[in-house]
Amino acid sequence: EAQVTQNPRYLITVTGKKLTVTCSQNMNHEYMSWYRQDPGLGLRQIYYSMNVEVTDKGDVPEGYKVSRKEKRNFPLILESPSPNQTSLYFCASTRIWTGEANYGYTFGSGTRLTVV
Amino acid sequence: AQTVTQSQPEMSVQEAETVTLSCTYDTSESNYYLFWYKQPPSRQMILVIRQEAYKQQNATENRFSVNFQKAAKSFSLKISDSQLGDTAMYFCAFTRSGGSNYKLTFGKGTLLTVNP
Repeated sequence: EAQVTQNPRYLITVTGKKLTVTCSQNMNHEYMSWYRQDPGLGLRQIYYSMNVEVTDKGDVPEGYKVSRKEKRNFPLILESPSPNQTSLYFCASTRIWTGEANYGYTFGSGTRLTVV
Repeated sequence: AQTVTQSQPEMSVQEAETVTLSCTYDTSESNYYLFWYKQPPSRQMILVIRQEAYKQQNATENRFSVNFQKAAKSFSLKISDSQLGDTAMYFCAFTRSGGSNYKLTFGKGTLLTVNP
């Protein structure tokens, strides 16, 4: 089954304790991205990657890091989490578009992170 | 920068009736894609319908259809014969065609409740 797998689904942690949220896709997609969802704000892009070793900041990158060492994996790293990073996080992937084609996005199931 | 506005934070409808969710967007791009995503209580982001800006014909998917008015930058979602399973948060989203980031810009969402 084609899917994006995020782990964990739920995580409660303490301020300052480094954590990683994993994201893996099995569709050979070049493009991967992280979003955070907050009530009343919709989803906002944190980081994205167009291919292996190519990453760039989205709209709200502060406090986050990413890496793309393999095509299938795109982990989100919070080196020193703070309570304002309490949110619902989604990973998404898609193929590189050619011409006018948009192949659509596949989302993971989300990670509910609480930082206390 | 693109913006997406959903002016209805919450809506409710009776089962079997029709409901329309509003979405407007602002962009200077001529080629782009518009989406409606459904997020049920399970948190999964589910693609409901997609519209290519260069296509004049409105997209339809079973009970779901859109009214795409490019000049007015409006993209409303009509749900016919509403079902209890349609209860969810609905997000309107925009992405431009091409470029180096396939970012989805989301509205803040409309919470739809279908009542029996």
